[in-house]
Amino acid sequence: TAGITQAPTSQILAAGRSMTLRCTQDMRHNAMYWYRQDLGLGLRLIHYSNTAGTTGKGEVPDGYSVSRANTDDFPLTLASAVPSQTSVYFCASSAGLGGDEQFFGPGTRLTVL
Amino acid sequence: GQNIDQPTEMTATEGAIVQINCTYQTSGFNGLFWYQQHAGEAPTFLSYNVLDGLEEKGRFSSFLSRSKGYSYLLLKELQIKDSASYICSLFDSNYQLIWGAGTKLIIKP
Repeated sequence: TAGITQAPTSQILAAGRSMTLRCTQDMRHNAMYWYRQDLGLGLRLIHYSNTAGTTGKGEVPDGYSVSRANTDDFPLTLASAVPSQTSVYFCASSAGLGGDEQFFGPGTRLTVL
Repeated sequence: GQNIDQPTEMTATEGAIVQINCTYQTSGFNGLFWYQQHAGEAPTFLSYNVLDGLEEKGRFSSFLSRSKGYSYLLLKELQIKDSASYICSLFDSNYQLIWGAGTKLIIKP
């Protein structure tokens, strides 16, 4: 099985443009997450979803939006990108929100100029 | 506030043993994870501790003391491929996962 996939692998984006990062999992996991990882900092949670149809804000949600129309997909949208959103973005999923390990996608490297 | 501390970088020799420490302060506790992340790759799960004590899994072991807010990851028989970042993370009382910045481990021949 593929597990969790993300697209694109990398992207260079002009400031002010919008973009959607895609994330799909085939493990039928209920919970999904979006993180950003910056050099020297830990993973920071942007948004999460307990189950299809519900989403919640994480530690750094400003400038990002998500939707969870079905179990498998959890896209992350940047409505108007800014240079501070340059980062590596990881999507993850887990069976539930409790003590379940998270499975990570390969990441999307985004550069906003 | 909530905080996780772990050393920024450690160096060890192939075949040796290394212990990576993690201390934390949190408003609540619902379990502690260790993840491994090779450069340019995604994190992968290593261990999960929810009760005090040592969990052993092959060459890797993880220890937890909830009263001391302390955990460590012990790696034995180090191999060059163990060179990676090791990240401590924990669930707080709201089941929000808090992540440390990671410890970069360099293994030398």
